[in-house]
Amino acid sequence: GQNIDQPTEMTATEGAIVQINCTYQTSGFNGLFWYQQHAGEAPTFLSYNVLDGLEEKGRFSSFLSRSKGYSYLLLKELQMKDSASYLCAVMDSNYQLIWGAGTKLIIKP
Amino acid sequence: DADVTQTPRNRITKTGKRIMLECSQTKGHDRMYWYRQDPGLGLQLIYYSFDVKDINKGEISDGYSVSRQAQAKFSLSLESAIPNQTALYFCATSDGGTDTGELFFGEGSRLTVL
Repeated sequence: GQNIDQPTEMTATEGAIVQINCTYQTSGFNGLFWYQQHAGEAPTFLSYNVLDGLEEKGRFSSFLSRSKGYSYLLLKELQMKDSASYLCAVMDSNYQLIWGAGTKLIIKP
Repeated sequence: DADVTQTPRNRITKTGKRIMLECSQTKGHDRMYWYRQDPGLGLQLIYYSFDVKDINKGEISDGYSVSRQAQAKFSLSLESAIPNQTALYFCATSDGGTDTGELFFGEGSRLTVL
């Protein structure tokens, strides 16, 4: 079966750096997405990786290793507003999105 | 105004009732989706549509039906609601012409079935 694994919850301190990991096993691969979802709100797009390597976008970076079935989202200079759930999703060979359950990130002052 | 609008935002109903959740979008996207979100689970695809004449079942379509009334409108119906359909429902759109297939979500419809 297809599976996306990410930690359920993480805690970090304001101003610090946190890395949220995502491992996947899917039928084919056509890209990996990260979305941010604040409590009670809609998910919003953060990043897309289809080739190996690091994509940087401001304070957020996303890394992909297709051979390892692994990605991470790196958040730098954490702010209280970064408290949210972070969803990892993989597009399989049929161009269907398979979603992880999300990682709830708690930022402490 | 939101680009993807869902109504109602909250609904409480009873077992056996028919419920319709509506979604409209002003993004001009051809692709629309209905997802369900439950605590501790990933988003699950219920139905999707790539244009007005195209309707496809997702991974959890049983107990649900959809209608694509126009490019901008995609509604989800529960013909006879049951308690395990209590969840947060999201409509989403995407532009089929882009490489990333980024999804744009509505604000969600929280449904409680008693």
